[in-house]
Parts: sequence; structure tokens; C-alpha cells
Amino acid sequence: GAGVSQSPSNKVTEKGKDVELRCDPISGHTALYWYRQRLGQGLEFLIYFQGNSAPDKSGLPSDRFSAERTGESVSTLTIQRTQQEDSAVYLCASSLNWLVRADEQFFGPGTRLTVL
Amino acid sequence: AQSVTQLGSHVSVSEGALVLLRCNYSSSVPPYLFWYVQYPNQGLQLLLKYTTGATLVKGINGFEAEFKKSETSFHLTKPSAHMSDAAEYFCAVRGQAGGGNKLTFGTGTQLKVEL
Repeated sequence: GAGVSQSPSNKVTEKGKDVELRCDPISGHTALYWYRQRLGQGLEFLIYFQGNSAPDKSGLPSDRFSAERTGESVSTLTIQRTQQEDSAVYLCASSLNWLVRADEQFFGPGTRLTVL
Repeated sequence: AQSVTQLGSHVSVSEGALVLLRCNYSSSVPPYLFWYVQYPNQGLQLLLKYTTGATLVKGINGFEAEFKKSETSFHLTKPSAHMSDAAEYFCAVRGQAGGGNKLTFGTGTQLKVEL
């Protein structure tokens, strides 16, 4: 079956514009995670979904960031009024059962966002 | 709360030499530990994980890691490096399941393999 897919693979935008990043998880995976990877840094957790609800949004950097998930499938991460410090690779991951601590997260290839 | 420290942002080895990538963790609960590999322009791929039980964990591509509670370490090793091992490696820790299973990552180690 298909893995986690993300679109677009690359996005260049101007400062102040809004962007939407999309994640298609593996079919049947109930948990979905967003991470951010800035140049020279590790991955930072942003938000995770159990089904369509987001119990933990603690990693979202500011109120310019939001995410939603519909149909326990596709998720969209939206960044409003983008700033240059938002430039990063945004990675999405999904897993089968968030209740299982050993549950493996499968990562997508990421979206590289560049804010000019 | 948990954290991960990876010593050495860049490691260079000769082909055929031992690979040792260091990872130390901090966790308020017994940790679950993971090593991921990221090839250029690709997503992260799980190499191996420690949950409970045997402290020496074997993964894909000949890699293994040993969980040492006394040293709070989970170093990644491979006896003989291959050119195809050149990639970035991330160590990660997971806290208790109530936290939604999010992973806390180290800053990564870029492995270079030279002829």
C-alpha cells in the first residue's frame, strides 16, 4: 500500500502570504503527527491528531499556525501571514494506534517551505 | 518531560570502518527509544527501536543499538560502514502513551562515508 504522502513537495512564498500544506496518511492509521525541521536542527513536534481531534497542540509556534483533519484521513497545516522564520521542512507522520506506546510512526517525504 | 542529545553533528568514517553515533536521553518515565535515518530528499525511516526487554536491539541494514540505563545512552553502531550508509541519523525518545506518543528528536548526526 501507499505510504504517507505530502503536497506540495516544495513551496516558495512571499512573506505575509498564507500557505496550506497537505498530508495524506496511510489508510487506516488513526494517529497523525506534524513536525517541523529547520535547517541544522532536529525535528520539532507541532501537533497530533487522534482521529479528527487534536488533543495536543502544544508545539504550534504561534496562533498563525493551525491544522485540521477531516474524515480521519487528510490533514492540512495552515500557516497564515508567513514569516521568514517559518522556512523549514514540514514533515507529517501517521501511525496505526496512538494508544500503543511502541506504535511506529511512518513519515512522509515532507514539504520544503521557503518564505522570501 | 524528555529530551535527546546527539553528540557530533557530523561524523566521518572510512568505508569498512566502525560506525558509532552517540545518543543520550533524559526521560521521567522508562523511555522508548528510536533511531531514524533520513536519506536526501526523503522522509524518515525507522532503523530500530527499544521498548522493553533485550537491551541490544538489531535493526535494518546491519545497524544495532544498546540501551544502557545507567549511562542514559542509546548509541547506534554498525561494524562496517558502507557508502550507502551516508545519511542523517536521528535519535528520538517517546514518553508515556498519555502524551499521544509524540516523539522528541535529537538534532541529528550527518554521517559521511569516505573511500
